[in-house]
Amino acid sequence: AQKVTQAQTEISVVEKEDVTLDCVYETRDTTYYLFWYKQPPSGELVFLIRRNSFDEQNEISGRYSWNFQKSTSSFNFTITASQVVDSAVYFCALSEARNQGGKLIFGQGTELSVKP
Amino acid sequence: GAVVSQHPSRVICKSGTSVKIECRSLDFQATTMFWYRQFPKKSLMLMATSNEGSKATYEQGVEKDKFLINHASLTLSTLTVTSAHPEDSSFYICSVPTDSYEQYFGPGTRLTVT
Repeated sequence: AQKVTQAQTEISVVEKEDVTLDCVYETRDTTYYLFWYKQPPSGELVFLIRRNSFDEQNEISGRYSWNFQKSTSSFNFTITASQVVDSAVYFCALSEARNQGGKLIFGQGTELSVKP
Repeated sequence: GAVVSQHPSRVICKSGTSVKIECRSLDFQATTMFWYRQFPKKSLMLMATSNEGSKATYEQGVEKDKFLINHASLTLSTLTVTSAHPEDSSFYICSVPTDSYEQYFGPGTRLTVT
């Protein structure tokens, strides 16, 4: 069965702190894709990253970085020097290659609040 | 610019009426579109896969007679909530998948049933 778990429902930090959002996934497929999306209060989903199951290299994009570890089935997301504009709900998602058209299974989401 | 549009962005309707939500792929043809539903403070749940020229594929537990999906062209899918009730109030989001397994999401439609 496929499943994505984001154990942290809410996180509150003070501006400039680093924060890590956890994501653990379950899948029986060997080929799959993992995603992170940001959902600000407006509701529109903002794509952050896609990672395929054969690429375990960590990625850094500005203040954002992702740590993908197949051994622990985790795909964690770290924001360095957080800013108030980072406040949003963040979703981790999984797409199995065998699924029709790549439909996404979302985690429960982590609501991040960055206070000034 | 936007790749996927949804209309309307917000709608309020009375209980018992039907509401149609449109999802348009603006930049490319889409043989498949997805419809998701999101309750407040909750995750996105896939409702159905819309297939151009054929019947939609519904996820388990989703009433196909209540949530009618039509995908009549390669750029338009519609979701009609029939005989809406207050428990149907939710945020409905459509998405268009790409060949590279990314998805372009629409801006969402907030439905309130009074």
